[in-house]
Amino acid sequence: DAGITQSPRHKVTETGTPVTLRCHQTENHRYMYWYRQDPGHGLRLIHYSYGVKDTDKGEVSDGYSVSRSKTEDFLLTLESATSSQTSVYFCAISGQTNEQYFGPGTRLTVT
Amino acid sequence: TQLLEQSPQFLSIQEGENLTVYCNSSSVFSSLQWYRQEPGEGPVLLVTVVTGGEVKKLKRLTFQFGDARKDSSLHITAAQPGDTGLYLCAVMDSSYKLIFGSGTRLLVRP
Repeated sequence: DAGITQSPRHKVTETGTPVTLRCHQTENHRYMYWYRQDPGHGLRLIHYSYGVKDTDKGEVSDGYSVSRSKTEDFLLTLESATSSQTSVYFCAISGQTNEQYFGPGTRLTVT
Repeated sequence: TQLLEQSPQFLSIQEGENLTVYCNSSSVFSSLQWYRQEPGEGPVLLVTVVTGGEVKKLKRLTFQFGDARKDSSLHITAAQPGDTGLYLCAVMDSSYKLIFGSGTRLLVRP
């Protein structure tokens, strides 16, 4: 299994509060991704990174920001959480091929 | 409109039965991937198909890429409860990002 972890695994927060999710990899892969998964929508890309300090927007980036200061860490921040951001968030990594390896997910509930 | 349409959306079968799920698009792709996601976990890559008409086998799972590289199928022989999960197909878009279908949720009853 690819060395990829996510923290926290579960979080409940209130509307309007900031939230940061962390993805950590030990594979030294260049590419890292954040997805959200909701019933009926499958996996949708939020943001991705193609190197340290190099990031770009995905399909559903509004309300989210990311940072990558080290190869191994990719942070996803919800500046002011809303109920529509209640979801399961997955981080993924990939190397030279387009095959992605996923973390175990973070279940976020915004009340 | 989804780039990738997966069917059926949900399938419930008895252990030992065979099944086929589909991933269809009107676009041509250079490759296509299949993932399986078990409850509470992240998706896991099963296979990548690259060549039109290609068939790949993974134990009881058979994957086929359409001749025109627009569609793919996954056939499971003698399904087992351990095959239960969400099956996702995915393709690379023009910006080198993976696009996923919404998946087929399979339940294999003992």
